[in-house]
Amino acid sequence: NAGVTQTPKFRVLKTGQSMTLLCAQDMNHEYMYWYRQDPGMGLRLIHYSVGEGTTAKGEVPDGYNVSRLKKQNFLLGLESAAPSQTSVYFCASSSSGGYTFGSGTRLTVV
Amino acid sequence: GQNIDQPTEMTATEGAIVQINCTYQTSGFNGLFWYQQHAGEAPTFLSYNVLDGLEEKGRFSSFLSRSKGYSYLLLKELQMKDSASYLCVLLASGGSYIPTFGRGTSLIVHP
Repeated sequence: NAGVTQTPKFRVLKTGQSMTLLCAQDMNHEYMYWYRQDPGMGLRLIHYSVGEGTTAKGEVPDGYNVSRLKKQNFLLGLESAAPSQTSVYFCASSSSGGYTFGSGTRLTVV
Repeated sequence: GQNIDQPTEMTATEGAIVQINCTYQTSGFNGLFWYQQHAGEAPTFLSYNVLDGLEEKGRFSSFLSRSKGYSYLLLKELQMKDSASYLCVLLASGGSYIPTFGRGTSLIVHP
């Protein structure tokens, strides 16, 4: 099925550990985004990409890095996880407006 | 920058009509979306307004007034499954496709 696929769906990390979240889309979209969603805060943009090989910072980029080596994939990395990064992470993609979201990754940092 | 304001929570009765309002301030406007998000799930697209007026799609309609910085989502013949969060999403002008999300309105539909 066409759409946005996120892996993993759930993860528990210890403080200081690192991990990479993978987002893959098969709609040939140029734009890809990583958001985090916390209770009462809504969706906040972490990083985004306007095309293969490009990335840019969003509203809350600290503690995260991203890469877009292939058009269909957008990776979000946490180098040294902190409890404040406990959240639900959503990836999305778009072409000329209209955003398709992945099913989310629930990350807990203990 | 952009600022979006929508009510935090609303309740309504099954079968009724509910209107969820959204006001915004922006230096440039390129469109306004409404998304629905059920608890624990991803947001899904409901509507998109770029011109003033009403867009109708089945039980859901969305209205936009650019001069007033105002939009609403109208849900008719409410069903229990409509209990969800409704997100007002602003797309600024300038060639950027970076949306700004409101914090969402949690709608509770009761029998």
